[in-house]
Amino acid sequence: DIVVTQSPLSLTVTPGEPASISCRSSRSLLHSNGKLFFAWYRQKPGHSPQVLIYLGSNRASGVPDRFSGSVSGTEFTLKISRVEAEDVGFYYCMQALQTPYTFGQGTKLEIK
Amino acid sequence: EVHLVESGGGVVRPGGSLRLSCAASGFSFDNYWMHWVRQAPGKGLVWVSRSNEDGSFTDYADFARGRFTISRDNAESTLYLQMSNLRADDTAVYYCGRDLSGEFDFWGQGTLVTVSS
Repeated sequence: DIVVTQSPLSLTVTPGEPASISCRSSRSLLHSNGKLFFAWYRQKPGHSPQVLIYLGSNRASGVPDRFSGSVSGTEFTLKISRVEAEDVGFYYCMQALQTPYTFGQGTKLEIK
Repeated sequence: EVHLVESGGGVVRPGGSLRLSCAASGFSFDNYWMHWVRQAPGKGLVWVSRSNEDGSFTDYADFARGRFTISRDNAESTLYLQMSNLRADDTAVYYCGRDLSGEFDFWGQGTLVTVSS
C-alpha cells in the first residue's frame, strides 16, 4: 500500500497569516498518463469532506484562490495564503494512484 | 445540482448485516466511478470500496474484501454497500463519493453505522 504521511497534525494560525500543510508519499504518484493522482480535502466540523485541490495542484471549483497546492517529487504542500476563521477544520491529503486509496492522518487547523 | 444522499445506517449486533444506499441526483450517474469512504468516531478518513460506471469492476480495502459488496443500480441512480459479518471496528460514518478524475468532487452527508451488542 502507498503510505501518505501528513504533517503537522495540528496547526494554530492567526487570521490573516499563512499556513502550510505537507504530505509525503511513499512512492511517486505520477501516473503513466502524466497526471498526479493526489488531492487535498477540508472537513469542517460536523460536515462531509470537500475537495480543495485535485491532480496535485488544481484548485477545485468554488475554492478561494488563497488555497494552493504544489508538489516536489513525493512531497505535496497545501498553502493557505491568508487564513480566515472559516478555514477551521481538518485537512486531509489523499493519493488515488492505486487502491487502496490512502489518506494522510489529518491536520487540525485552529484559529488563534 | 449534484446530490448524494446516504441511508441505511443504524445499530447492528456484531456478526450482523446491513445494506447502505447512496441515492444520486443532478448528474448522469452511469458516467461516474463511485466510492465508499468511512470515518470512525474521532478518526480519519479510510477508503472502503469503488465501482466503475456499470458495476462490472469493483475493488475493496483489505478489511472489506469478503465481507462487503459494492453494487449499483444505474436505472435508479443508486450505489449500495452490502456489509456482513460486521465487527465493532466497522463502527463509522460511511460516505459515498463521486470520482471525477481521481478525486471525490462530491460527497454525501454520511450515514452512521454502529456495531454493538
